Amino acid sequence: GAVVSQHPSRVICKSGTSVKIECRSLDFQATTMFWYRQFPKQSLMLMATSNEGSKATYEQGVEKDKFLINHASLTLSTLTVTSAHPEDSSFYICSARVAGSPRTQYFGPGTRLLVL
Amino acid sequence: KNEVEQSPQNLTAQEGEFITINCSYSVGISALHWLQQHPGGGIVSLFMLSSGKKKHGRLIATINIQEKHSSLHITASHPRDSAVYICAETTGNQFYFGTGTSLTVIP
Repeated sequence: GAVVSQHPSRVICKSGTSVKIECRSLDFQATTMFWYRQFPKQSLMLMATSNEGSKATYEQGVEKDKFLINHASLTLSTLTVTSAHPEDSSFYICSARVAGSPRTQYFGPGTRLLVL
Repeated sequence: KNEVEQSPQNLTAQEGEFITINCSYSVGISALHWLQQHPGGGIVSLFMLSSGKKKHGRLIATINIQEKHSSLHITASHPRDSAVYICAETTGNQFYFGTGTSLTVIP
């Protein structure tokens, strides 16, 4: 089946630094990628929708200047957490929607971010 | 806004037992997904279905569109099945996730 990878899988950083998380579709083209955040024992919450070649669409309450999303190609989207703070510590998951198949979405393995 | 509810929230079973996890949603959907989240956090997509029934190994997923209900069944459960199982529905662009069912299978 289709595979979505995320890198890194885990990251620890100091408060105030920026962290970049990559999401790649390995064997298919993804015109749309989604970024989710999951706090402990809670459901996944959609942060933003990333469309290749255009600006991301952010959900209400998600700061676009803090969570920078770049979808530069049909196989890669990046999420940069700028000036990270301890409250940004979370599990970040991306998913990729198969081009031409709007109901088919594959999830990445997630990135656990810990901000000290 | 669609609401997705799962039951039970927590489930403990003995190895070999037949397991059922239920998912209900409130509005019409285009597809329903069952996801498995391992203790380390990684998510695996188990099924995507919009009608009927699908089977993969010991896993079976069913959906009743009229009743807005889906079930995930695990036959001959094994400790490696221990994980959080999440149902998620999509009406197009937006996904709505249930809060998950935490399954523990005891040897």
